[in-house]
Amino acid sequence: SAVISQKPSRDICQRGTSLTIQCQVDSQVTMMFWYRQQPGQSLTLIATANQGSEATYESGFVIDKFPISRPNLTFSTLTVSNMSPEDSSIYLCSVGTSGTLETQYFGPGTRLLVL
Amino acid sequence: AQSVTQLGSHVSVSEGALVLLRCNYSSSVPPYLFWYVQYPNQGLQLLLKYTSAATLVKGINGFEAEFKKSETSFHLTKPSAHMSDAAEYFCAVSESAGANSKLTFGKGITLSVRP
Repeated sequence: SAVISQKPSRDICQRGTSLTIQCQVDSQVTMMFWYRQQPGQSLTLIATANQGSEATYESGFVIDKFPISRPNLTFSTLTVSNMSPEDSSIYLCSVGTSGTLETQYFGPGTRLLVL
Repeated sequence: AQSVTQLGSHVSVSEGALVLLRCNYSSSVPPYLFWYVQYPNQGLQLLLKYTSAATLVKGINGFEAEFKKSETSFHLTKPSAHMSDAAEYFCAVSESAGANSKLTFGKGITLSVRP
């Protein structure tokens, strides 16, 4: 299994500002994922982050808006840039684990409200 | 492209009653299907997953789901609801069973359990 922590757990931000969300895993993992869960909506994959390479963004998401860092095998950050109220969401990171039970583990999420 | 439909946003059952949460999928390739549960202020936790072995999949906490290709469904059931089952449930589909596969989620269903 994998234990994932995220910081901050929640925040209230002003429009036009940026927020960096941290994701820490208790074991080394190859790939980390960032999801967004908008109010009343399903989880949507923002990007996939491999250590040592550029993140791969899904359609509708761009690096200028959601820059991602992946400095090592246990840590990643997602920045929500130039925020607007439409960015109010829960942001979750997840990691894939191998072994007898391959599955994705999710962090507790960061609840963001943009005013 | 893949998609998941979870009809309705809220299901309420009495404690001890049958839980049935519906999930229908669309996939151009043989799908891999997952059910995740999210308790308040926690990350998503894998309940069970279908990976083309047995069509009836048993998961944690007494939940099970049956893959029906003819109906493109993967409904989640539990014979007897417990108060602790109150949470949000997400169905997801993937093109592969690996832990690093991209997941496409449904909108989620909130389960309430009445005493």
